[in-house]
Amino acid sequence: KAGVTQTPRYLIKTRGQQVTLSCSPISGHRSVSWYQQTPGQGLQFLFEYFSETQRNKGNFPGRFSGRQFSNSRSEMNVSTLELGDSALYLCASSMPIRGRLDPYGYTFGSGTRLTVV
Amino acid sequence: TQLLEQSPQFLSIQEGENLTVYCNSSSVFSSLQWYRQEPGEGPVLLVTVVTGGEVKKLKRLTFQFGDARKDSSLHITAAQPGDTGLYLCAGNGGATNKLIFGTGTLLAVQP
Repeated sequence: KAGVTQTPRYLIKTRGQQVTLSCSPISGHRSVSWYQQTPGQGLQFLFEYFSETQRNKGNFPGRFSGRQFSNSRSEMNVSTLELGDSALYLCASSMPIRGRLDPYGYTFGSGTRLTVV
Repeated sequence: TQLLEQSPQFLSIQEGENLTVYCNSSSVFSSLQWYRQEPGEGPVLLVTVVTGGEVKKLKRLTFQFGDARKDSSLHITAAQPGDTGLYLCAGNGGATNKLIFGTGTLLAVQP
């Protein structure tokens, strides 16, 4: 089956701009989670969407937002970009059972490498 | 706040050597997973452990979940260059789909 698809793979933006990243989960997976990965902070949880609703949210400012569509595809948006937002943004899909983590775990996409200059 | 500390942070070994990576926390996790990530790619799930004391083997990799479900280890036997990558442990703390990732162990296996 097709994996998790993230677009674009690479993005260069200037400070103050906004950006939208896209994630298409594995067919049948209804949960999509977003993570930010940086060398200094590692993988940090941004938010999780399930059935078009945000179920969990990490400790990121309101400039980071997301949404999920009826076909489970998800987008995340970062407004007023800062240099510190440069990172690899990873999307992961899973099929939770009764709200718990799918025992088969997350399937991650290859990520979007965002560089803010 | 739940934290997962991994040790060592970096490991460079010769092909054929054995190694162990540790993942420790003061918090209890309902399940714990190990991932491997290669440059420019997302993490790939290796294993999920859910029962305290559980041991799982994946070819040359052995994973153990601590009895108290606060720690885990990954042991690689006869490491190969293909094992090179960033190893991440990740814990699920409860009835949510949110994973807490460890600090990571960067492994380099020299031929």
